[in-house]
Amino acid sequence: QSVLTQPPSASGTPGQRVTISCSGSNSNIGRHTVNWYHQLPGTAPKLVIYSNNQRPSGVPDRFSGSKSGTSASLAISGLQSEDESDYYCATWDGSLNVVVFGGGTKLTVL
Amino acid sequence: EVQLVESGGGLVQPGGSLRLSCAASGFTFSTSWMDWVRQAPGKGLEWVANINQGGSETYYVASVKGRFTISRDNAKKSLYLQMNTLRAEDTAVYYCATDLLGATPHWGQGILVTVSS
Repeated sequence: QSVLTQPPSASGTPGQRVTISCSGSNSNIGRHTVNWYHQLPGTAPKLVIYSNNQRPSGVPDRFSGSKSGTSASLAISGLQSEDESDYYCATWDGSLNVVVFGGGTKLTVL
Repeated sequence: EVQLVESGGGLVQPGGSLRLSCAASGFTFSTSWMDWVRQAPGKGLEWVANINQGGSETYYVASVKGRFTISRDNAKKSLYLQMNTLRAEDTAVYYCATDLLGATPHWGQGILVTVSS
């Protein structure tokens, strides 16, 4: 069981807006910034959001991140078929002294 | 271009040992924290361990403490993971990575470790 809780699945139709949540605690999300990764089967994860809400160059502005208290969210607007992927949140846990990942959310574009 | 290339994976029997290596290039290895992350077949990402720039500070996930050792050789720009007393549940693709929680993370392509008799 992951320290960070994500819904196992999410879905939407092309053009829709979907949100993926990541719930933690005061020792992790509450005190540290969150990164979001997406991963296609058989490939290494790639960064989509860093420092809670910053987009790396090359990531479309359809992707946005936010954090409030002990929870973080990734929002994808104008959903496209190529957004179908597994998404993971990640942060540092200061009590456990470990990097923690969420369990991952499989996003399906219907 | 940043490159991280893992090697040393393969099939090992339960209770056996394996040493993974990660060759780094394209960035200043000696000033970077380095991590190992794994992913069991069909499962999510699990962080395994990390090490600071000089190798004096290391952290491990609870499930590998006392069995795995992370180390580095800055002169060779290489990261290592010595894995002892391997269990079936250690079967996974192991990734070498840097700046995991930063703005410019980089990951290797991953290497498969299979623990089975």
